Amino acid sequence: EVQLAESGGGLIQPGRSLRLSCAASGFNLDDYGMHWVRQAPGKGLEWVSGINWNSATTGYADSVKGRFTISRDNVKNSLYLQMNSLRPEDTALYYCGRDRRYSSSYLGPVDVWGQGTTVIVS
Amino acid sequence: DIQMTQSPSSLSASVGDRVTITCRASQDIAIYLNWFQQKPGKVPTLLIYDKFTLQRGVPSRFSGSGSGTDFTLTISSLQPEDFATYYCQQTSNIPFTFGPGTKVDLK
Repeated sequence: EVQLAESGGGLIQPGRSLRLSCAASGFNLDDYGMHWVRQAPGKGLEWVSGINWNSATTGYADSVKGRFTISRDNVKNSLYLQMNSLRPEDTALYYCGRDRRYSSSYLGPVDVWGQGTTVIVS
Repeated sequence: DIQMTQSPSSLSASVGDRVTITCRASQDIAIYLNWFQQKPGKVPTLLIYDKFTLQRGVPSRFSGSGSGTDFTLTISSLQPEDFATYYCQQTSNIPFTFGPGTKVDLK
């Protein structure tokens, strides 16, 4: 069964750093692009960052550019999000997601979602 | 960045109704428009990608159409399990952006 499991969330003070992890199982991570999507309490979905299968393509939302870094370790079947200079407005449920496209240089929509990990910046 | 808008922001409908949700992009996104469904407290699910292609397992009462900047999600006959919030998302240009969502509830 294809699964994604996020970890690393928690309560953190403004200005500090946090690293989220996403463990993939049931598929080979290096065949797919991956994403982070977040949802603030009671709000809509916000795409945060994406990375293609070989890390050649990465992208960020303007709201996190320069503060967050996405990375992947295909050997460990894991995705990461390094979050620096955290702000209260970064408070959200952070979802890890698998890109629908198989072995593509381009990124597309998420078709497999984790359950999310909560980050509270306060 | 490409801005996405949706209308209406919410709607009330009955089981069996035909429901249409509109999504507009601030610039041409070709066919790279996706639709997601999210029920309260649940993870989003992909319904339609690349404008009109149904994700595997999604019922055929859902359909997508449009082109360029204007897109539509149609539910041909609303079922009890369809009451949820629906989001459009463009994947034409990074940063990918979601619309603000349309909440569909019971009339």
